[in-house]
Amino acid sequence: QKEVEQDPGPLSVPEGAIVSLNCTYSNSAFQYFMWYRQYSRKGPELLMYTYSSGNKEDGRFTAQVDKSSKYISLFIRDSQPSDSATYLCAMGSNAGNMLTFGGGTRLMVKP
Amino acid sequence: NAGVMQNPRHLVRRRGQEARLRCSPMKGHSHVYWYRQLPEEGLKFMVYLQKENIIDESGMPKERFSAEFPKEGPSILRIQQVVRGDSAAYFCASSPRAGGQEQYFGPGTRLTVT
Repeated sequence: QKEVEQDPGPLSVPEGAIVSLNCTYSNSAFQYFMWYRQYSRKGPELLMYTYSSGNKEDGRFTAQVDKSSKYISLFIRDSQPSDSATYLCAMGSNAGNMLTFGGGTRLMVKP
Repeated sequence: NAGVMQNPRHLVRRRGQEARLRCSPMKGHSHVYWYRQLPEEGLKFMVYLQKENIIDESGMPKERFSAEFPKEGPSILRIQQVVRGDSAAYFCASSPRAGGQEQYFGPGTRLTVT
């Protein structure tokens, strides 16, 4: 079993839809959580970073962490074709220095 | 403010040759991480370095792979005697602080071994 599970998709939605992306994890030592966006053949771009359970909002993006359920989410409001990319969740613990990534969810937003 | 820079962006090597990948962190960042992304797989941690020190190399293959981050100049990931299985995208990330949080990634180097 992988430490971080993420549905690979693809997830196809119409422009303007609300998108929900999710990850589950098994390691209770994970304390901080990140979402990255990766366009094809590009490097991952840091979108959101959270350290605690609850919600964090930044523009059209909302990150949600539920440590009791070991479940994190990224919501994208008013999705745009330019949001079409692979979204990676990543997490780390205070005991280490590495990030553990999910496999990524490919999102396609259709005009 | 320039982001993380990596070069070359594409590298082709024949089996048995050496590959050298370079990474310059963001200005003010002294923590560098290397990850590998194999086709159809997620990013996997390889090594974490601070200036002149390897802090964590738990994800690095035991043979043929080495990394350094000298006092002056970029961080280097070196792969000796490359094999076809080394073909992948190699990403460098940098962070302003220890602990692995807030890692910013470069554009990657795509290594192809023929």
